Amino acid sequence: DTAVSQTPKYLVTQMGNDKSIKCEQNLGHDTMYWYKQDSKKFLKIMFSYNNKELIINETVPNRFSPKSPDKAHLNLHINSLELGDSAVYFCASSQDRVQGGSGELFFGEGSRLTVL
Amino acid sequence: AQSVTQPDIHITVSEGASLELRCNYSYGATPYLFWYVQSPGQGLQLLLKYFSGDTLVQGIKGFEAEFKRSQSSFNLRKPSVHWSDAAEYFCACNTNAGKSTFGDGTTLTVKP
Repeated sequence: DTAVSQTPKYLVTQMGNDKSIKCEQNLGHDTMYWYKQDSKKFLKIMFSYNNKELIINETVPNRFSPKSPDKAHLNLHINSLELGDSAVYFCASSQDRVQGGSGELFFGEGSRLTVL
Repeated sequence: AQSVTQPDIHITVSEGASLELRCNYSYGATPYLFWYVQSPGQGLQLLLKYFSGDTLVQGIKGFEAEFKRSQSSFNLRKPSVHWSDAAEYFCACNTNAGKSTFGDGTTLTVKP
């Protein structure tokens, strides 16, 4: 039973299109994240939600809009896709230190987005 | 602000040789420190973590890491590398604000 699952695993689309990536975790964690990994494998945090509330919003274009319908789900919608959005997007969850957890991140397998 | 530096972008070792991957952090207090491994096409998996106590921590797959406060380092070691250890390795620092900062990663290549 996968702890953090995200779909789809691969996305190929044209510039200007809109796409969504879905993420679900069954670990009972309160916090979920979206990370972007570029072609050089650098990992950058994009967003973090704690119990459906946005707590981290890094410098990300407002074309990216996360949505958390409940604490087990965090989706990412991207409008007007650009070439530079091509990357692997990872969803992760954790039980944070402020909630008595360790802050250890549990990652999904990633969604590879290719914008043509 | 916290930061994590992994000085080695790419390391190549022979199978059976020992390995050390370097990690330095910058943070005002004692952070929680982690090493993650990413195999090709996969997500990241935790190897080990340090919170407090014994500064030498053991992880999965025969890895260990040592926290040295005086050097702000948390280097990852393995006495004998296996071909299956070839992967990307990330050091990360987590503060009590709940944000993890990752180093840029070290690519490990294992020669037969």
